[in-house]
Amino acid sequence: ELKVEQNPLFLSMQEGKNYTIYCNYSTTSDRLYWYRQDPGKSLESLFVLLSNGAVKQEGRLMASLDTKARLSTLHITAAVHDLSATYFCAVEGGTGNQFYFGTGTSLTVIP
Amino acid sequence: DAGVIQSPRHEVTEMGQEVTLRCKPISGHDYLFWYRQTMMRGLELLIYFNNNVPIDDSGMPEDRFSAKMPNASFSTLKIQPSEPRDSAVYFCASSPNRGASRGYGYTFGSGTRLTVV
Repeated sequence: ELKVEQNPLFLSMQEGKNYTIYCNYSTTSDRLYWYRQDPGKSLESLFVLLSNGAVKQEGRLMASLDTKARLSTLHITAAVHDLSATYFCAVEGGTGNQFYFGTGTSLTVIP
Repeated sequence: DAGVIQSPRHEVTEMGQEVTLRCKPISGHDYLFWYRQTMMRGLELLIYFNNNVPIDDSGMPEDRFSAKMPNASFSTLKIQPSEPRDSAVYFCASSPNRGASRGYGYTFGSGTRLTVV
């Protein structure tokens, strides 16, 4: 079974700072997704990365994919409070349309 | 499209009772997934369907859980009898067929928060 690991699990950072969330996965895949979940809410799609070297940016968030290293990163630039949420990466694999989700990173941005 | 619709949003039930969760996927999506989310175990895939047929139910915790998809627009997840350890948020998600899904991902419903007392 494909395993997906995220770190850190919990991240508390001050407004204005930069940080990176890491997502490692255990087997070959070139399709990786990032989701955001606000407390008590559903999961919302953030980024779709479909090839080695893919980079996507939206506002203060930038995601990248290195399929050779089996690693994706979600970089946060100059964090603001509105970014506080749990972030999940998910890797598409297997014979079906299955996604394998990471454990999630709970981000808290402190004023 | 209204997105993936789940009902009820919240359910509180007593141990031993039957619970039925409902999901309406996005029209035209061939895949439907049921996930369970808890603090301890994160997001767990319970079962998924392709064209109304169950493909992989290896994530269903035990025989007390069953899922059906009688048609392309409706699925149920049933727990009978329910136990306190079943308390969780249950999400339904749908996606287009594999060929069309490249780059699409899943669309999640709002979830059902189940509390078994």
